[in-house]
Amino acid sequence: QVLLVQSGAEVKKPGASVRVSCKTSGYSFNAHFMHWVRQAPGQGLEWMGRINANNGDTGYAQKFQGRLTMTRDTSISTTYMDLTRLQSDDTAVYYCARGKYYDFWSLDYWGQGSLVSVSS
Amino acid sequence: DIQMTQSPSSLSASLGDRVSITCQASQDIGNFLNWYQQKPGKAPKVLITDATKLEAGVPSRFSGSGSGTDFTFTITGLQPEDFATYYCQQYDNGPRATFGPGTTVDMK
Repeated sequence: QVLLVQSGAEVKKPGASVRVSCKTSGYSFNAHFMHWVRQAPGQGLEWMGRINANNGDTGYAQKFQGRLTMTRDTSISTTYMDLTRLQSDDTAVYYCARGKYYDFWSLDYWGQGSLVSVSS
Repeated sequence: DIQMTQSPSSLSASLGDRVSITCQASQDIGNFLNWYQQKPGKAPKVLITDATKLEAGVPSRFSGSGSGTDFTFTITGLQPEDFATYYCQQYDNGPRATFGPGTTVDMK
């Protein structure tokens, strides 16, 4: 079955960086996009960006330009999300979510979420 | 980025009710709109894609309509498991996507 397993919770200081990983199994990794979506406590969903797992092409939401990087390692079917210059309002649950085959923007499988807490 | 608005932000309904949620895009997005359901502490689940297509395994009481800038999501015959928050998501055929602010459906 399709599984997306994310790395664990992180606690960071303001100004630091965080890396969240998303290890996948059960499907052809290269055939899909991977998206990252975050959700601050008690708030709605926020799309952050996506990576084409086949060629590594990325696209990010305007507000994260310059401090968000998505990469992938096809040898281990894993996607990474790096966010730099963290501030308190980056405290959120971060989800990876797979784009459907041939419908890259519809998110059909999700990771369990990774809580990133930013506090001094 | 394209902005999405949803209304209402919350609503109270009874079992068996017909519930409708609207989503409006700040510019024409064709039919590039999806609907998701999220329950507390869980990841979202996609219900409707391309504005009107029901995902496999999703009950037929869920439906979507609309195109361009105005979209509607409807639950016909609300069930206990439908109390949740619903989000629209636009993607305008890429390269970016946006979620609406969400609508919480709770029990009257």
